Amino acid sequence: GDQVEQSPSALSLHEGTGSALRCNFTTTMRAVQWFRKNSRGSLINLFYLASGTKENGRLKSAFDSKERYSTLHIRDAQLEDSGTYFCAAEAGTGSNRLTFGKGTKFSLIP
Amino acid sequence: GALVYQYPRRTICKSGTSMRMECQAVGFQATSVAWYRQSPQKTFELIALSTVNSAIKYEQNFTQEKFPISHPNLSFSSMTVLNAYLEDRGLYLCGARDWGYAETLYFGSGTRLTVL
Repeated sequence: GDQVEQSPSALSLHEGTGSALRCNFTTTMRAVQWFRKNSRGSLINLFYLASGTKENGRLKSAFDSKERYSTLHIRDAQLEDSGTYFCAAEAGTGSNRLTFGKGTKFSLIP
Repeated sequence: GALVYQYPRRTICKSGTSMRMECQAVGFQATSVAWYRQSPQKTFELIALSTVNSAIKYEQNFTQEKFPISHPNLSFSSMTVLNAYLEDRGLYLCGARDWGYAETLYFGSGTRLTVL
């Protein structure tokens, strides 16, 4: 099975509301990155976490290696948050071998 | 800031021909570069990992004979898709990292390959 299970596959929010994306890992990961793929196809770095939580503006991410999951919270959703969000986890040290989730397509409900 | 540029952004080639894509790191040293492909089914596949002055490591189902990679310095890498066929279409992404500075992997916008 997939090493990285990302949910939900799609998310629609009203402006100003919030929600969370989650990635569960079937094995112990040493770090996780979150990306947003925008309308131009660029993969934008959001967070890199080896543990704990990080916050940047209206986004907050957490990673628990022991419990094998990571989350990305979006609050006060805005139009510029639209795109597809990916988590990507790294199992081993010293490599760029990221295993990606299948993505969450986020859209704002007008 | 750290940026990765990829070009061309998109390309179309005839079945059986080859195309080369390039990856440029700006603002940091790309000591390590990873090439991925996002298939039409949207999954990301790792093609190969390249570290300057080390051998390039290809993943299962990908070979140097099919996807030769060059990583000659700390700011540039290229990959060629040789003898492209329909199953090679997709978005090819270059991710680069400076091991001595940060662990974040920075990605370019990708090269979208269409094979006719």
